[in-house]
Amino acid sequence: DSGVTQTPKHLITATGQRVTLRCSPRSGDLSVYWYQQSLDQGLQFLIQYYNGEERAKGNILERFSAQQFPDLHSELNLSSLELGDSALYFCASTPRLAGGTGELFFGEGSRLTVL
Amino acid sequence: GQQLNQSPQSMFIQEGEDVSMNCTSSSIFNTWLWYKQDPGEGPVLLIALYKAGELTSNGRLTAQFGITRKDSFLNISASIPSDVGIYFCAGLNYGGSQGNLIFGKGTKLSVKP
Repeated sequence: DSGVTQTPKHLITATGQRVTLRCSPRSGDLSVYWYQQSLDQGLQFLIQYYNGEERAKGNILERFSAQQFPDLHSELNLSSLELGDSALYFCASTPRLAGGTGELFFGEGSRLTVL
Repeated sequence: GQQLNQSPQSMFIQEGEDVSMNCTSSSIFNTWLWYKQDPGEGPVLLIALYKAGELTSNGRLTAQFGITRKDSFLNISASIPSDVGIYFCAGLNYGGSQGNLIFGKGTKLSVKP
């Protein structure tokens, strides 16, 4: 158990819909990262938050947005969903903003299926 | 952007066999890491390498940071069924956000008892 909690574990929805994925980082971790894992794309970095502020952006679509709340939990919002958005979405956390060991603590993921 | 080429994409081996996988990059990294993702779980860090030429072991796992800083390999000796999963290499440069970890596409390992 990494200490990172993600909900829901599974989500099935239709094209055009909007969903919200939730992440609670490990106790004391200030940095939260979101990754997308598709079958043939490995782990793609989407976005990072540190203590409530956006700090780094990866390959995140404009239809996707995220935020980190004062209690440090984070939400990833996916809108106007397309079939290609079906994937596993992982949240990860670390105590720090930058540098460090490179160790990310991942949650178990939220599997999104868009029909 | 930076990309990591991880090979092989998948491996089917017999229990007890040794396994070798590697990762190469067109650019250098200061840190190489190997993660394992068990079925239905998130990735977990196995080994981290911080110095060119470094060879590090973790039980039956051994990883090396290439001298050129553009590659790394992971060996698993005497494989067992619980070694099944996806192994990811990742590269990181100092001072960057850990969101700048670049992941390879993974090597899927299947072990026949």
